[in-house]
Amino acid sequence: AAGVIQSPRHLIKEKRETATLKCYPIPRHDTVYWYQQGPGQDPQFLISFYEKMQSDKGSIPDRFSAQQFSDYHSELNMSSLELGDSALYFCASSLGGQATYEQYFGPGTRLTVT
Amino acid sequence: GQQLNQSPQSMFIQEGEDVSMNCTSSSIFNTWLWYKQDPGEGPVLLIALYKAGELTSNGRLTAQFGITRKDSFLNISASIPSDVGIYFCAGYNFNKFYFGSGTKLNVKP
Repeated sequence: AAGVIQSPRHLIKEKRETATLKCYPIPRHDTVYWYQQGPGQDPQFLISFYEKMQSDKGSIPDRFSAQQFSDYHSELNMSSLELGDSALYFCASSLGGQATYEQYFGPGTRLTVT
Repeated sequence: GQQLNQSPQSMFIQEGEDVSMNCTSSSIFNTWLWYKQDPGEGPVLLIALYKAGELTSNGRLTAQFGITRKDSFLNISASIPSDVGIYFCAGYNFNKFYFGSGTKLNVKP
């Protein structure tokens, strides 16, 4: 079965640079979530989209923005990168408007800021 | 915000032993999910629970949705080395998933 696809899998950037992470949800899934996971931490919710509209916002820095496109893929844009932004970034998808809320994660993008 | 307390933080067990871990919250959740995460990989959904009192199995894994809707537990029977990893609980409410801090499971062959 098709899973959530994230690209790139690894990214190395320097401080103050920008980065764009991409997420392709499971086919027919209309809800996308972005998470940041530091070493030894649980995933921290950043932002989510349902049907191309932002549905909730978590601890996403103002330097970050995201959107969901008409084909339901999503992009997380990160500017003025800081060393502390180094982490695993996960995208997850689910089918909204249902009685069940199964959320499936992608393999993650490992961002290293030097 | 809503907090999930997951315990234990880590476990060291012998292959073949049974394992139990749980999540508690001061808030009510409509859905409980259990995930397993291997290093550097995305969490993999193991079990989803939707009704208070629900008991669901997936192979050697069994999870229950607490009657109060404020807790859930996960049992792994007859552990094997590939069960090693970090197990996360997650509760769902109001369009958001909240994660526990994880239980790191180590299995000695």
